[in-house]
Amino acid sequence: GAGVSQSPSNKVTEKGKDVELRCDPISGHTALYWYRQSLGQGLEFLIYFQGNSAPDKSGLPSDRFSAERTGGSVSTLTIQRTQQEDSAVYLCASSLEGGLAKNIQYFGAGTRLSVL
Amino acid sequence: SQELEQSPQSLIVQEGKNLTINCTSSKTLYGLYWYKQKYGEGLIFLMMLQKGGEEKSHEKITAKLDEKKQQSSLHITASQPSHAGIYLCGARNYDKLIFGTGTRLQVFP
Repeated sequence: GAGVSQSPSNKVTEKGKDVELRCDPISGHTALYWYRQSLGQGLEFLIYFQGNSAPDKSGLPSDRFSAERTGGSVSTLTIQRTQQEDSAVYLCASSLEGGLAKNIQYFGAGTRLSVL
Repeated sequence: SQELEQSPQSLIVQEGKNLTINCTSSKTLYGLYWYKQKYGEGLIFLMMLQKGGEEKSHEKITAKLDEKKQQSSLHITASQPSHAGIYLCGARNYDKLIFGTGTRLQVFP
């Protein structure tokens, strides 16, 4: 596609429910990244995929968070048993490759998650 | 761990004025990226700098990376309302980006 696409754009859920956030990267981009943006913490890295593998999961805040990527394309970020502190904007980015300084990360518009 | 500090945190300028935003890193920068974000939108890539002393320009925006590679500045000439938004610097840390605290720019007529 023309850009990184994320869905839904907004998600309101009740505390304790599971949510799935989807990211469709730019066609041909092998690297995919998830970030979280919240008022108190700024923009934080969550996880990085190269193809379908996740060599860096260091930013996932707890074992309630997981992500997968299939076919080297679409990625899903799943948050189980959501808590109010999970409320944030979840941003996805993709780049041609990972690991090289020249590869620019292009971001989607994000999913705004509100946990009531 | 690497940290990026941006200054100022907030900036309000009159249309037509010049302005500068700074990004200071706690460690040497290997790839410094500038992005712009508008409310409710994702990050829009502006420029990438890699080499000490490098300077890039796009339209009325110029970014520089200092020789010691621990600081970058973003300069906007003759600001316009379309320049309003949040400016974020990002530093490459292995495969991920570490972002600065952000600078909120408002431009009034």
